[in-house]
Amino acid sequence: SYELTQPPSVSVSPGQTARITCSGEALPKKYVYWYHQRSGQAPVLVIYDDDKRPSGIPERFSGSSAGTKATLTISGAQVEDEGDYYCYSTDSSGNRGVFGGGTKLTVL
Amino acid sequence: EVQLVESGGNLVQPGGSLRLSCAASGFTFNNYAMSWVRQAPGKGLQWVSVISGGGAISYYADSVKGRFTISRDNSKNMVFLEMNSLRGEDTAIYYCARAPILRGIITRGGDFWGPGTLVAVSS
Repeated sequence: SYELTQPPSVSVSPGQTARITCSGEALPKKYVYWYHQRSGQAPVLVIYDDDKRPSGIPERFSGSSAGTKATLTISGAQVEDEGDYYCYSTDSSGNRGVFGGGTKLTVL
Repeated sequence: EVQLVESGGNLVQPGGSLRLSCAASGFTFNNYAMSWVRQAPGKGLQWVSVISGGGAISYYADSVKGRFTISRDNSKNMVFLEMNSLRGEDTAIYYCARAPILRGIITRGGDFWGPGTLVAVSS
């Protein structure tokens, strides 16, 4: 079955740039979405269609996708950005959704 | 204000059945696909199923195909997940999420999620 691969953890100091990657064979032809989940809360969409930011999401969040790898970048990460980040996309058929395994971001 | 509220989660024995509901408000319900995503305790997110705005098209993860059925009632702004032959590995928080439809694609990422409902499968 189709998989999206993320690093288990990323750690940065406050104000630094955090980059979280997501790799998948179908990404050249499928959009990627990024979610932020704080402990005990529902996920929140932070990037959609590879590089678009929903209203209300800070400008420090940006996304890009090239080839089989997508990247979520948090420029000037803040303590409130800590939590788990998940990428989402679909398999090549477009009929099956898939989440990456998640990346725990630590900002300290 | 967009709202999604799941209900129906409970403790059920292996082999049992359960029906989850998700009540939606604050948006034009039939303009959106609706999906279910689950999260086992301490684990990551797992996509479960999605249904089109009109309800004619639905897709399932391989792990639940043949056991779970997604449906919706657009007159009541609700989406459902009928779960049969439940197993221990189905234990999870189940979230419903709305997904904008673009060029007929219904499996786009959900842009708004409910708080979830807990399903526990155990004897």
